[in-house]
Amino acid sequence: GEDVEQSLFLSVREGDSSVINCTYTDSSSTYLYWYKQEPGAGLQLLTYIFSNMDMKQDQRLTVLLNKKDKHLSLRIADTQTGDSAIYFCAERGYGNNRLAFGKGNQVVVIP
Amino acid sequence: ETGVTQTPRHLVMGMTNKKSLKCEQHLGHNAMYWYKQSAKKPLELMFVYNFKEQTENNSVPSRFSPECPNSSHLFLHLHTLQPEDSALYLCASSQDGSGSGTDTQYFGPGTRLTVL
Repeated sequence: GEDVEQSLFLSVREGDSSVINCTYTDSSSTYLYWYKQEPGAGLQLLTYIFSNMDMKQDQRLTVLLNKKDKHLSLRIADTQTGDSAIYFCAERGYGNNRLAFGKGNQVVVIP
Repeated sequence: ETGVTQTPRHLVMGMTNKKSLKCEQHLGHNAMYWYKQSAKKPLELMFVYNFKEQTENNSVPSRFSPECPNSSHLFLHLHTLQPEDSALYLCASSQDGSGSGTDTQYFGPGTRLTVL
C-alpha cells in the first residue's frame, strides 16, 4: 500500500532557506504534490512534480525528486514569516485519483 | 465566490444530533471528495464522487452519509456521531477524478467539527 513519511517540525530564521523532506513507498507514483496548510485553513496546493522530472522550480520553491530513493523535497528560498504553516506531501499513481498524504511537517519561521 | 467553499466553518454537536456539512466548488470540476483530518494522523480519504456518482467509500461508518446532488455540491450528513469523530473535515474537487493527467485536487477551508 501507499505510505508517505515526513519529519514533524522545522524551525528556520526569516531569510534563510528551509528544506522539507518526504519519502514514499509506491513506486508507481506518477504525480507528487506539496500542499500548505495555514492555521484554521484548508490545504493550499503549492506545486507538483511529474515522476519523470528530477527538479521543478517555481519562484521561491524548488522541488527535487529522487525516484530511485523515493525521496521528495521542497526547498523554500528566502523564507518569510508567511511561510509558517504545515506542509504536506502527497503522491498519486497514474489512473488513480487517490492521494496518499504524509502527516505533515510544521515549519515555524522566526523573525 | 471562487474555489471551494465549505459551511459551516465550525460546528459543535451532541452525539444525538443530526447535522450536515456543505461543500460547493466554483471551478467547473466533476469530481468531489470528503477527507477527515485528525490530529497527528495523515489525511484520510472518506468518499469520492465522480460526475455525481459515488466511486469510493473508504470503509466509512454509516453514521456519515454523503450526498452529491450535482457536480458543484457535496454534502456530508452526520447523525449519532462519537467524540472520536471530532476532526477537521475537508472537501476537495478535481477536474474529473480519473487520475489521468494532473487531476489536481483543490481543497476548501474545512469544517472544524466537535462532538460532545
